Amino acid sequence: DADVTQTPRNRITKTGKRIMLECSQTKGHDRMYWYRQDPGLGLRLIYYSFDVKDINKGEISDGYSVSRQAQAKFSLSLESAIPNQTALYFCATSDITGQGNEQFFGPGTRLTVL
Amino acid sequence: AQSVTQLDSQVPVFEEAPVELRCNYSSSVSVYLFWYVQYPNQGLQLLLKYLSGSTLVKGINGFEAEFNKSQTSFHLRKPSVHISDTAEYFCAVSDWPGGGNKLTFGTGTQLKVEL
Repeated sequence: DADVTQTPRNRITKTGKRIMLECSQTKGHDRMYWYRQDPGLGLRLIYYSFDVKDINKGEISDGYSVSRQAQAKFSLSLESAIPNQTALYFCATSDITGQGNEQFFGPGTRLTVL
Repeated sequence: AQSVTQLDSQVPVFEEAPVELRCNYSSSVSVYLFWYVQYPNQGLQLLLKYLSGSTLVKGINGFEAEFNKSQTSFHLRKPSVHISDTAEYFCAVSDWPGGGNKLTFGTGTQLKVEL
């Protein structure tokens, strides 16, 4: 079984709709991250959480919100989706004692906003 | 602030030829460097990492990278590529344990191996 899972894997939605992407992990890691990947731009950090009570904005948090429901679950929400949020979204985890902050990635969610 | 530059967006190469994917970084503190690979329709997988010690780092699938502090580079190499190496490769830098424990990624290099 995968250590970091993301649901859904693919989603098509319309402008203005609220959508939630979910991430679960069985690695027992405290730290979780949400990134978006766009062609030619690499991965950019949206939000990160170092534990259940600690949520931090990344470099591109506008238009997104997150919820850390438990150590193992970290959800990303788009309150009112817009077309330029069409992207590939990745969840990642890391251990507080992890060497150099090595991160472990989920398989990604491909989101299309029409 | 730290940053990563991958100058080559695409690198075509024939099978069994050597390849080098370039990565340069900037950071005001000690760094930790990573190469991740993303195969089509998959997430990112760690290839190798440099934390300290020997500047030549060996990873999975026959890849290696050399940390060069004076040139602020961490280029990825493989002496003989295979079709299955076709993927996108990302260089990343972390200034862990300081600086917020975040990874900063480059824009990626698409390696296309041809017969």
